[in-house]
Amino acid sequence: DVKVTQSSRYLVKRTGEKVFLECVQDMDHENMFWYRQDPGLGLRLIYFSYDVKMKEKGDIPEGYSVSREKKERFSLILESASTNQTSMYLCASNEDSSYNEQFFGPGTRLTVL
Amino acid sequence: KNEVEQSPQNLTAQEGEFITINCSYSVGISALHWLQQHPGGGIVSLFMLSSGKKKHGRLIATINIQEKHSSLHITASHPRDSAVYICAVLGLSGAGSYQLTFGKGTKLSVIP
Repeated sequence: DVKVTQSSRYLVKRTGEKVFLECVQDMDHENMFWYRQDPGLGLRLIYFSYDVKMKEKGDIPEGYSVSREKKERFSLILESASTNQTSMYLCASNEDSSYNEQFFGPGTRLTVL
Repeated sequence: KNEVEQSPQNLTAQEGEFITINCSYSVGISALHWLQQHPGGGIVSLFMLSSGKKKHGRLIATINIQEKHSSLHITASHPRDSAVYICAVLGLSGAGSYQLTFGKGTKLSVIP
């Protein structure tokens, strides 16, 4: 079974803190994605990566950066957390072809106070 | 950018009822996904469609490419079907890569 894990299920941080969200997949997938999910807005793509050290901006990259130093790990970084970044963050991965099913992690619910 | 509309937003059904959730999109796509999200957050993929119809157990998904419309049907609904159902369409982004655009989801509650 494909497994996508995220470092924390729940996280509480203060405004201005640097926040790292980690995602690891165990199926050697080329593509990895970071989404945020907000009530009434659905899932929105923040960043994705199609290879090690490669990244592309999604629909809402502002205030975020990413890192992919190893194929299995994709990190989302909030350089200076703000209250409007309180959200559910979901990581996903899939094989090389864009047509392939995406496998999602369990999500990290981040609260920024 | 593709606009994805789902209806209804919320749906309450009695156990055993036949359920239909609809998804419309504005721009031609390569494929459409139906996803299920249970309370607690985990998302699983139910179907990926590029044409016609697919069936898995009590779930049926159809797509009409010309009308830019897809439906998800659940036959003989059960309380364990209670979840949020999300439609997502795969299309080209402005940067030339394929991306998923998601609907806002339909929250289904099936009452015993």
